[in-house]
Amino acid sequence: AQSVTQLDSHVSVSEGTPVLLRCNYSSSYSPSLFWYVQHPNKGLQLLLKYTSAATLVKGINGFEAEFKKSETSFHLTKPSAHMSDAAEYFCVVSELTGSARQLTFGSGTQLTVLP
Amino acid sequence: SQTIHQWPATLVQPVGSPLSLECTVEGTSNPNLYWYRQAAGRGLQLLFYSVGIGQISSEVPQNLSASRPQDRQFILSSKKLLLSDSGFYLCAWSGGLAVSSSYEQYFGPGTRLTVT
Repeated sequence: AQSVTQLDSHVSVSEGTPVLLRCNYSSSYSPSLFWYVQHPNKGLQLLLKYTSAATLVKGINGFEAEFKKSETSFHLTKPSAHMSDAAEYFCVVSELTGSARQLTFGSGTQLTVLP
Repeated sequence: SQTIHQWPATLVQPVGSPLSLECTVEGTSNPNLYWYRQAAGRGLQLLFYSVGIGQISSEVPQNLSASRPQDRQFILSSKKLLLSDSGFYLCAWSGGLAVSSSYEQYFGPGTRLTVT
């Protein structure tokens, strides 16, 4: 069975400062991991994905994440926060279940960016 | 490029009324399709997924049902809505297992359902 734990339900940063959103996972197999972002009343947008290639993954809007197998972590970072980054972020692990790959979502981290 | 549509965007329905939410995907063939519900302040709950026409798997027993009458069409239905059915409903698609790298899912814009 797989699971995802997002260690912070809320993170607040000032504009221009670094962002760190923490995620730990549990998976029986080599996982595929993702970060999604959701703005209010919108669908989820894929930020980046890890699928057993490079451990440092670069995504859209300046975000990146590093897969650390020894720590079972997949933390999301950005060097400098922008006001438009304020949203909810979900860490997700993928597992093959039956005949389809299913996603297990973390509970989400609400990012607030202060001016 | 692929796009995914959902309608309606917003819906207010009384308790006991029927429900039909539609999702269509363009620009891909034989997708896996998914219905999720997101209750206020909570994460996403997988409701149904489908790997092909007429093939539906249910993840959570409830008064909702899903159908896939065409390859790129996925419908979520209910005969009688409950207050607890309120939430944000998201449809998503992914590549089938034949596309080995397509593990990610792509989400539609969602439908906000309020049951009164």
